[in-house]
Amino acid sequence: DGGITQSPKYLFRKEGQNVTLSCEQNLNHDAMYWYRQDPGQGLRLIYYSQIVNDFQKGDIAEGYSVSREKKESFPLTVTSAQKNPTAFYLCASSLGTSAYNEQFFGPGTRLTVL
Amino acid sequence: KNEVEQSPQNLTAQEGEFITINCSYSVGISALHWLQQHPGGGIVSLFMLSSGKKKHGRLIATINIQEKHSSLHITASHPRDSAVYICAVSQGNLIFGKGTKLSVKP
Repeated sequence: DGGITQSPKYLFRKEGQNVTLSCEQNLNHDAMYWYRQDPGQGLRLIYYSQIVNDFQKGDIAEGYSVSREKKESFPLTVTSAQKNPTAFYLCASSLGTSAYNEQFFGPGTRLTVL
Repeated sequence: KNEVEQSPQNLTAQEGEFITINCSYSVGISALHWLQQHPGGGIVSLFMLSSGKKKHGRLIATINIQEKHSSLHITASHPRDSAVYICAVSQGNLIFGKGTKLSVKP
């Protein structure tokens, strides 16, 4: 089955620790995205990648880092510099970054920082 | 002011009712997307449209580019339609509305 997976579904970390969220896709998509969702707010773009070994900051990149070493994988690290890391994180992928490309979303990871 | 506004924020309906969710945007766009988010958090794409109207089963989406407005209609609503419906506009990257939470009661 083709799709996009995120792990784990729930993640708990102590304040001050870095944590890495996994995102893998087997759809052969070039573009991948990370979004953050907070209660009562729309999804906000953290980082995106149009191609392997390249990525760009989104609207709220501060306190986050990413890598794109393989086409299938786009892990997100939430660093201790992120002031409010508790949120629901969604990964997505698309064939390209054209406005007409449908984005396919993973099931999300709910991060709670204690 | 948000670039993408949805109304209503919350909507409760009885099974079988006709439902309309509205989306207004203030920026120039190439395309508009309607997405559905289930209680578990996963999101699926329902429609992508840049003009006119699209229909899929009981779902209909329309867009008026001149008025910068789109509507999502659900005919003969069912409890399984209960979800958050999200409007997003594309200028390249997506700009998302805050979503409309729909609850359909049996």
